[in-house]
Amino acid sequence: NAGVTQTPKFRILKIGQSMTLQCTQDMNHNYMYWYRQDPGMGLKLIYYSVGAGITDKGEVPNGYNVSRSTTEDFPLRLELAAPSQTSVYFCASSQDSYGYTFGSGTRLTVV
Amino acid sequence: TQLLEQSPQFLSIQEGENLTVYCNSSSVFSSLQWYRQEPGEGPVLLVTVVTGGEVKKLKRLTFQFGDARKDSSLHITAAQPGDTGLYLCAGGIQGAQKLVFGQGTRLTINP
Repeated sequence: NAGVTQTPKFRILKIGQSMTLQCTQDMNHNYMYWYRQDPGMGLKLIYYSVGAGITDKGEVPNGYNVSRSTTEDFPLRLELAAPSQTSVYFCASSQDSYGYTFGSGTRLTVV
Repeated sequence: TQLLEQSPQFLSIQEGENLTVYCNSSSVFSSLQWYRQEPGEGPVLLVTVVTGGEVKKLKRLTFQFGDARKDSSLHITAAQPGDTGLYLCAGGIQGAQKLVFGQGTRLTINP
């Protein structure tokens, strides 16, 4: 029972580098989300998608991009990494708005 | 912007004691969810409440949704060390398939 799978689990980036955080779900959920979690803070929504081909901005989208070409995959792209993007990133999926399934997270450090 | 305020932010108590965590907002939510998160993992859904005044019980945990659907509480009876973790409340935004999260309550139960 895979659920939501995120890769990589850890990554160190230098300022200005780019990377893609991968997220895959095998539950055929329509809705997918990217959140970031900073120390002592809750989860902030970066981007979300209500279905393949449809994406929308959340609270903190600057510096990130997403795509949703299939129901299963929802990658998050960082184009020019900045220290302010050091965080733990969580991908989640849901069939409705009454319960999310989260991945185990990607811990990103930008130096 | 809809905000959820959790209190307390930190709570450390002895095994066997009771405790209550609060989640408050000035906004009305379509649902209220509670998650528990352990170190290095993503949040895991505990319960969803959708009706004002609704009470749900999960073993020693009791969840209540306020009558006006603006607030919620989580009560734990006879806390055990296994209850240790970060507890997050999340409100469903009416008309949108997304949640807003509180900043979390970090609970430590000492043996």
